[in-house]
Amino acid sequence: QSVLTQPPSVSAAPGQKVTISCSGSNSNIGNNYVSWYQQLPGTAPKLLIYETNKRPSGIPDRFSGSKSGTSATLGITGLQTGDEADYYCGTWDSSLSAGVFGGGTKLTVL
Amino acid sequence: QLQLQESGPGLVKPSETLSLTCTVSGGSISSNNYYWGWIRQPPGKGLEWIGSIYYSGSTYYNPSLKSRVTISVDTSKNQFSLKLSSVTAADTAVYYCARQYYYDTSAYADPWGQGTLVTVSS
Repeated sequence: QSVLTQPPSVSAAPGQKVTISCSGSNSNIGNNYVSWYQQLPGTAPKLLIYETNKRPSGIPDRFSGSKSGTSATLGITGLQTGDEADYYCGTWDSSLSAGVFGGGTKLTVL
Repeated sequence: QLQLQESGPGLVKPSETLSLTCTVSGGSISSNNYYWGWIRQPPGKGLEWIGSIYYSGSTYYNPSLKSRVTISVDTSKNQFSLKLSSVTAADTAVYYCARQYYYDTSAYADPWGQGTLVTVSS
């Protein structure tokens, strides 16, 4: 059971927009920045969003992040078949003094 | 650019100790504001944060694994290591090492190593 809650799967057609939610509590998302990771099949996770809404160099602006209270959202616009992957949210939990992740969301581009 | 590479046995017997090393290249492990940590992923499952260490030796551990985990650092070799004792089949996973940024309320992992599969079996 993950500390952060994500939907197991989402799907959308190429060119469309999709959002992935990540729900937590005051001890994690509520008081800390959120990061998002993309894991393509058979590869290591890659940082997609850090500090809730910042993109590392090389990450296209089709990817965006936001937060409201104890929930965070990853948005992906202009979906491409290459975006099919597992997406994980992560943050620090101040009560646990530990990093925590969501259970992951599998994105299918139909 | 910064690269991390995990190394260690791919097969460990139940009740024994899993030992892995992460070698950092393209940068110094003694950088300010960066911790160095381990994350694992059981086959077909999600990510689990194991713990991390600062170059000075300060550590954070996942409370659920704390009694069995030791993370250490060797700045002279630009390496850090993971030891997980009393392993069972539930510890079978791909183990990733990663640089972890911690500052104030910000925490994220980047970059990651390619990962190494460790299987616990007799």
